[in-house]
Amino acid sequence: GAVVSQHPSWVICKSGTSVKIECRSLDFQATTMFWYRQFPKQSLMLMATSNEGSKATYEQGVEKDKFLINHASLTLSTLTVTSAHPEDSSFYICSARTKNEQYFGPGTRLTVT
Amino acid sequence: RKEVEQDPGPFNVPEGATVAFNCTYSNSASQSFFWYRQDCRKEPKLLMSVYSSGNEDGRFTAQLNRASQYISLLIRDSKLSDSATYLCAVNVGSTGANNLFFGTGTRLTVIP
Repeated sequence: GAVVSQHPSWVICKSGTSVKIECRSLDFQATTMFWYRQFPKQSLMLMATSNEGSKATYEQGVEKDKFLINHASLTLSTLTVTSAHPEDSSFYICSARTKNEQYFGPGTRLTVT
Repeated sequence: RKEVEQDPGPFNVPEGATVAFNCTYSNSASQSFFWYRQDCRKEPKLLMSVYSSGNEDGRFTAQLNRASQYISLLIRDSKLSDSATYLCAVNVGSTGANNLFFGTGTRLTVIP
């Protein structure tokens, strides 16, 4: 099946710093990738849709200036959490669609101290 | 109202038991339905798509009831390895749209 990778798999950062997470589709091209966030014991919540070559589409309540998304190529999307705060600590998962199925990356666990 | 609602469980069942999960969705225009499995601290993995006529994959059976707007997952002869969280997902919109909504997940523990 399709493979989506994420890097890093986990990161610990200090409050106020920025963290960049990469999402790559390894064996297919993805014009659209999605970024989700999952807090403990909660479901995945879609944060934004990343569109190759254009601006991302953010879900209601997600600050676009805080969560910067760049989709510079058909196989790479990045999410930058700017000025991270402890409440941003979460499991961030990207995904990409191929045909009618959606595949997820392994996730990035962010801890902000 | 949430797009997708799921009983969070937990469901604790003995090995060999049959267990069923339901998931309701609010948008009648929903077009695609899926069940995902998520292990602890891992990403969700697609378990199976749900087709209108219902579909089966080994011990797993998925069904869709459009009239009542719910999907179900039946697991027969539960194995210890089935212990995980099962998420239903509903896609509202045409193919390629990003409107994939997830339920909160149902935690299943299969007990020896």
